[in-house]
Amino acid sequence: AQSVTQLGSHVSVSEGALVLLRCNYSSSVPPYLFWYVQYPNQGLQLLLKYTTGATLVKGINGFEAEFKKSETSFHLTKPSAHMSDAAEYFCAVSASGGYQKVTFGTGTKLQVIP
Amino acid sequence: GAVVSQHPSWVICKSGTSVKIECRSLDFQATTMFWYRQFPKQSLMLMATSNEGSKATYEQGVEKDKFLINHASLTLSTLTVTSAHPEDSSFYICSATHPRGQEQYFGPGTRLTVT
Repeated sequence: AQSVTQLGSHVSVSEGALVLLRCNYSSSVPPYLFWYVQYPNQGLQLLLKYTTGATLVKGINGFEAEFKKSETSFHLTKPSAHMSDAAEYFCAVSASGGYQKVTFGTGTKLQVIP
Repeated sequence: GAVVSQHPSWVICKSGTSVKIECRSLDFQATTMFWYRQFPKQSLMLMATSNEGSKATYEQGVEKDKFLINHASLTLSTLTVTSAHPEDSSFYICSATHPRGQEQYFGPGTRLTVT
C-alpha cells in the first residue's frame, strides 16, 4: 500500500523567491517518487523522479527534490520562482517499476506574485 | 520520444449516449496502460489498469460495465463511457508504461462534458 500527503493545497511566493512544496509518502516497498506539473486544462508533465541512487534529484526548469528515507519526504524546491511556474504540482509514488500504479497526492497550487 | 496521445481532447455528449476515448503510445509499444480520472480541482484517481490482450483490472468502486476498456494492440487502449451521465463529466488521463519499465508517460487528457 502507498500514499502521498502534500502539505498545503495553495502556496504563494514572490517572483524570485524560494519555492518549497512539501511531500511526504508512505510505502511498504522501496518507492519510486515523482513530481508532476499540470497547467490548466492540460495533462501532466514530469518534473523529476527518484528511482534509486542519488537522493538529490534534479529536474527540468530548475526544480530539484531530495529523497529523505528517514523522514519519508520528497520535497520539491526551486531557488528562484518565475511567473511561468504558476501551476498545480502533484507528488506521486509507485512501487518500483513503471508497471505499478501511480498514487498521486492531492496537489499544491503554486501562485507566483509579481 | 515516449509520447502518448489522446483523442479527442475535448468531447461533449448528451446524457445516455456513449463516448469513446483513445489513448495511443506514438513511438513505443506499451503492454500496460493506465486510465485515471480527475475531477475539477482534485487529484488523479486510478480507474483501471489495461494490459494488452487481456481484461482490464478495475480499481475498487469503478463500474466495469460503465467504463469499458479495450487494449487491443500494443499502441492503443480505449475507454468507452457507456450511458454517460452528467456525474461522469471529468478529465480522463491515460498513461503508458515504456518498455524500459521505469516510468509511465501520460497523455494530455480528455475533458468529457455530459449535458
